[in-house]
Amino acid sequence: AQSVTQLDSQVPVFEEAPVELRCNYSSSVSVYLFWYVQYPNQGLQLLLKYLSGSTLVKGINGFEAEFNKSQTSFHLRKPSVHISDTAEYFCAVSPGGSYIPTFGRGTSLIVHP
Amino acid sequence: IAGITQAPTSQILAAGRRMTLRCTQDMRHNAMYWYRQDLGLGLRLIHYSNTAGTTGKGEVPDGYSVSRANTDDFPLTLASAVPSQTSVYFCASSEAGGITEAFFGQGTRLTVV
Repeated sequence: AQSVTQLDSQVPVFEEAPVELRCNYSSSVSVYLFWYVQYPNQGLQLLLKYLSGSTLVKGINGFEAEFNKSQTSFHLRKPSVHISDTAEYFCAVSPGGSYIPTFGRGTSLIVHP
Repeated sequence: IAGITQAPTSQILAAGRRMTLRCTQDMRHNAMYWYRQDLGLGLRLIHYSNTAGTTGKGEVPDGYSVSRANTDDFPLTLASAVPSQTSVYFCASSEAGGITEAFFGQGTRLTVV
């Protein structure tokens, strides 16, 4: 069985500062990895995904993530955040061939002016 | 606009009553899911369906049932609601299960009193 750990429940940061949201997973097989964002009172939407190939994945809104197989991590980064990035961020993992993604508990990114 | 439609958007329900949350997608996706979102617990899978005619239990299935009579619809039924089922419920779908991203509805906020 796979699991996803988002190490920080809340990350406060000032506008224009860099940010990293951490995600670690456990799985005995190859995985597909995703980051989703949830704005207040909305559903989740995809930020980026890693299926195979280059370990550095670029997504929407200037976010990127790096897959590190040896550390079983898929941390999300943005070099300069905006107020509008304030949201809940979820990391998700699907073991190869599985129909069921597993989500982490989420990290609340709070961007202060 | 293509996507997932959930109804109702919110509901206050008396304990012991039966309730069906509706979910319809128009993307012809094979896989569909129901999650509940609770503060501090992230998204937890209730039930899923890999394809029309099949369903499976997720992490927290007790007190819930689903059906998948066709590709588009995946209703979630609470047979006899209890206060612990107060939550925000999200329906999602994906084209090919875990190897493709999930698309989410806007959620149903359910309060059981």
